[in-house]
Amino acid sequence: EDQVTQSPEALRLQEGESSSLNCSYTVSGLRGLFWYRQDPGKGPEFLFTLYSAGEEKEKERLKATLTKKESFLHITAPKPEDSATYLCAVQAGNYGQNFVFGPGTRLSVLP
Amino acid sequence: GAGVSQSPSNKVTEKGKDVELRCDPISGHTALYWYRQSLGQGLEFLIYFQGNSAPDKSGLPSDRFSAERTGGSVSTLTIQRTQQEDSAVYLCASSLTGQAGANVLTFGAGSRLTVL
Repeated sequence: EDQVTQSPEALRLQEGESSSLNCSYTVSGLRGLFWYRQDPGKGPEFLFTLYSAGEEKEKERLKATLTKKESFLHITAPKPEDSATYLCAVQAGNYGQNFVFGPGTRLSVLP
Repeated sequence: GAGVSQSPSNKVTEKGKDVELRCDPISGHTALYWYRQSLGQGLEFLIYFQGNSAPDKSGLPSDRFSAERTGGSVSTLTIQRTQQEDSAVYLCASSLTGQAGANVLTFGAGSRLTVL
């Protein structure tokens, strides 16, 4: 059975304090790993897609990396506006019904 | 439209009543998904549509839940005889296709259902 776990469950950082969020997965035939950001009262918003081990993507203060068993979302010098829940999802198989989401990491960045 | 629209944004109902939740996906997106998110939990897959067909209904929690999609566009999720455990945020997402490698999901803001 495909599974996704995320750690930590919650993370509090001071503004400017860099850190990393972890997404560990077990899936047969990974077709893509996705990171989303979710603000309270809103739907998740797409951040990155990673397809193969060794791949990296960057956007502003965020950098996502992928290995064969896990992905990291690195946050460099975070700002309070980076506070949100970060969701990881994997897709296996050939069609869209095989998305599996992790429980998320709730990030708070204090000024 | 520019994004995925869901209605109602909030619904409070009494136990035993039926509810309908609507999703209007991005124009041209052939794949449509329904997820459920309970407080503090991750996203639970409910159903996936490719066009008007639902190849995978395995996530629907019971036969009280049903969904349809018409014209390859608007989808309705119906919950009959609601129970308190149905209380959650119901999220709809669409993507251009359902194929792997081309699957960026765009989510709506969700419909928050509270069953009293």
